[in-house]
Amino acid sequence: AQTVTQSQPEMSVQEAETVTLSCTYDTSESDYYLFWYKQPPSRQMILVIRQEAYKQQNATENRFSVNFQKAAKSFSLKISDSQLGDAAMYFCAYRTGYFGNEKLTFGTGTRLTIIP
Amino acid sequence: DTAVSQTPKYLVTQMGNDKSIKCEQNLGHDTMYWYKQDSKKFLKIMFSYNNKELIINETVPNRFSPKSPDKAHLNLHINSLELGDSAVYFCASSPVDGLALANTGELFFGEGSRLTVL
Repeated sequence: AQTVTQSQPEMSVQEAETVTLSCTYDTSESDYYLFWYKQPPSRQMILVIRQEAYKQQNATENRFSVNFQKAAKSFSLKISDSQLGDAAMYFCAYRTGYFGNEKLTFGTGTRLTIIP
Repeated sequence: DTAVSQTPKYLVTQMGNDKSIKCEQNLGHDTMYWYKQDSKKFLKIMFSYNNKELIINETVPNRFSPKSPDKAHLNLHINSLELGDSAVYFCASSPVDGLALANTGELFFGEGSRLTVL
């Protein structure tokens, strides 16, 4: 079974600074997806960024980028120029790339605080 | 236009009661899910349905019964509610086609339904 580990229960960063959230996962599959979801106090789950395992290039979405290390099974999220609106729980998630039994397996989350 | 909508958003009830949470998606997706988020914010899958057929049932007590009348709806009925059922329940959907790698892989979530059992 796949597992996802987020070793940082809480992180904080000064506004406008850069912060990196860590995620590692365990799988025997070669094809899969990785995601970072954000959950602000409104509790809505919002997709931040996605990475397909077969792509070597790290995904980037504006101020959000990932460092995907497939061999090390590591998938960290970097937030540049942090803004107050980035304050939220961040969840790393894994999904199999194979048809059938698709589901997202989530890590335990990292609570990110932005210091004004 | 709300893509995945859940009702009710808040539900407070007594132990032993039976309650339902409804979910509808207008994205045309084939697969729908129920996830439970506990007090520590941990998200765990409960069920998934693909085109009205149960695909995943993750060792959830029999008191929980999902029902999918059509592929756009997945409802969750809970019998004999217990204190430990208090949580936020999320409905989600995703597109699935014959080539899983051809879709984006992401799940689209509803806003969650907070259930409090007293």
